[in-house]
Amino acid sequence: AQRVTQPEKLLSVFKGAPVELKCNYSYSGSPELFWYVQYSRQRLQLLLRHISRESIKGFTADLNKGETSFHLKKPFAQEEDSAMYYCALKAGGETSGSRLTFGEGTQLTVNP
Amino acid sequence: DTGVSQDPRHKITKRGQNVTFRCDPISEHNRLYWYRQTLGQGPEFLTYFQNEAQLEKSRLLSDRFSAERPKGSFSTLEIQRTEQGDSAMYLCASSPTRLAGGQETQYFGPGTRLLVL
Repeated sequence: AQRVTQPEKLLSVFKGAPVELKCNYSYSGSPELFWYVQYSRQRLQLLLRHISRESIKGFTADLNKGETSFHLKKPFAQEEDSAMYYCALKAGGETSGSRLTFGEGTQLTVNP
Repeated sequence: DTGVSQDPRHKITKRGQNVTFRCDPISEHNRLYWYRQTLGQGPEFLTYFQNEAQLEKSRLLSDRFSAERPKGSFSTLEIQRTEQGDSAMYLCASSPTRLAGGQETQYFGPGTRLLVL
């Protein structure tokens, strides 16, 4: 079974401060990891995925298979980053189901 | 708007009634997913279709739930004999079939919020 844990339900930082949203997973195979974001009154949207190794809106996330983590980081938080963030896992391989398993989410608030 | 659309956006019903939700995926997306999200939780997978075939169902999908995608385009999710515990946001997502070595992104709709009184 696969599981995603986001230990912090709420995270509050000041503008310009670094931010790290934690995500740990359990899965015996080779997973694909994603971060989704939901801004106020908007739909859930993809922020980034580990396969792409990209930086979106200044956010990065590195898959650490040894620690089974996929923490989301940004060096300088902005007020517009305030949103709900979900970490999600998809079982790897085309033969696996395409379901996403989500964590419970972290509500990030960036204060001015 | 070429994104995933869902109808209705809100539904209030009395316990025991049947409800049906509709999802229109992004054109040409082969895969369609249903998730349920309750307050304070992340979305939970319910079921998914590749074209018209329902390939996977979660244990969360009790006998009162049924989903269809008859022509491989839009999908409906029906809940029979609703219970108060069915109150939740029902999310639909779609994605193109992943090419070999490619990536699959699921695009979400705005959701249908169900309240069972």
